[in-house]
Formats: sequence, structure tokens, C-alpha cells
Amino acid sequence: EMVMTQSPATLSVSPGERATLSCRASQSIGSNLAWYQQKPGQGPRLLIYGASTRATGIPARFSGSGSGTEFTLTISSLQSEDFAVYYCQQYNNWPYLYTFGQGTRLEMK
Amino acid sequence: EMQLVESGGGLVRPGGSLRLSCTVSGFTLSSYSMNWVRQAPGKGLEWISYISSPSTTLFYADSVKGRFTISRDNAENSLYLQMNSLRAEDTAIYYCARGNWGSFQYFDVWGQGSLVTVSS
Repeated sequence: EMVMTQSPATLSVSPGERATLSCRASQSIGSNLAWYQQKPGQGPRLLIYGASTRATGIPARFSGSGSGTEFTLTISSLQSEDFAVYYCQQYNNWPYLYTFGQGTRLEMK
Repeated sequence: EMQLVESGGGLVRPGGSLRLSCTVSGFTLSSYSMNWVRQAPGKGLEWISYISSPSTTLFYADSVKGRFTISRDNAENSLYLQMNSLRAEDTAIYYCARGNWGSFQYFDVWGQGSLVTVSS
């Protein structure tokens, strides 16, 4: 079974500060990792794919790193619109097609 | 603008059936694999089904296997999820999501979701 574990469950950060979110895979997934942002009442939005490539239209303050089993999403200077829930997802690691982490809630301090 | 719009959700009794639709616009559906993802109230995301672009490959999560059926009609720009033998634990918002180019890729376009409530 493939398990994606995100930490922390909740992160409290002030606007303008840096936020660092972690995601760990129970088995090596190479760079097949994506990050999504979800705001209340909305569907998720793709932020990062391939562990470190920003999706179209995503601001440069969002960056992803890592490979294998340890991954990080960093938001360099938090804006008010960045407070949301963030999910990591592994993809295309046969026989585990898709697995999401449980999410990290980023809240304003 | 690329858009996915889900419909067909609602209240259904345990053991009942429901069919969700996802209508796409702004891109050619036949070129992409598609997925259904659900989110129980206050919970995280759960992938439940995948369909390849020519519908030759279908996959399901164990939680819905044998009860749910994914299908697509590329000419109608639509994706479907037939849900049978519904249970209380199927209560969730159901999202359709486009897979990026290739097989089993990340989801680059999402809908707003359709709420399914299973209750007596």
C-alpha cells in the first residue's frame, strides 16, 4: 500500500513570512509528485507537478523540491490568498495509480 | 477557458443509484484521460476512478470497485460516473479532473464538484 503523509496537519504563519509544508511517501516515487491548493467551496488547483515544476499561472513564490520519498512545498512570502488547504499527490507509480496526502491547512497567524 | 462542470448530484437512499455527469469545454476531451475524485465532508481527497482517452483502460479504487462505472462520450464532451448500491460512506463532493498528457498523470484541470448525499 502506498501512503502519503503530510506534515504538519495545520500550519499557522503570518502574512509575508515563509511557509514550508512536507510530504513523505511510504515508498520511493521518483519525482511523480504534485501539489494542489484548495480553498473553501472550490475544487483543487494544480500548483506543482514533477515535484518541482510550477503549473501555468502559478506565482514564483510557490516552489517544490524533493525526490524519492521526501518532498517540500515552500511559499516564500505568504499572501492573504495563499491561506488554504494543500494536498500532495503521487501519480503513476504502478500499481499505485494515485494517492493523496491527508492535507495541510495553512492558516493565518 | 478550460472548464469542467459536474452535475447529477443529490440526495439518494442507501442502496440506490445515481449518475453523475461532467461536461467539458475549452479543450478536446478525446485527447485526455479523465478521473473522478471525491471528498467526504470535512475530509481529504480520494481518487476513485480513471478512464483513458479511448476508453480502453479503466481503473477503480477498491472502495468503489464493482459498484461504480466510469464512462465517457467524447462526441458529447462528457464524462460519466454511474454509482450503484450507494452507501452512507459514499456521501461526498465528487469532482471530475483531467489527467495531463499521457497515462496516469497529475490532474491539471478540475471541476467545482457535485454533492452526493446518501441518507435514509
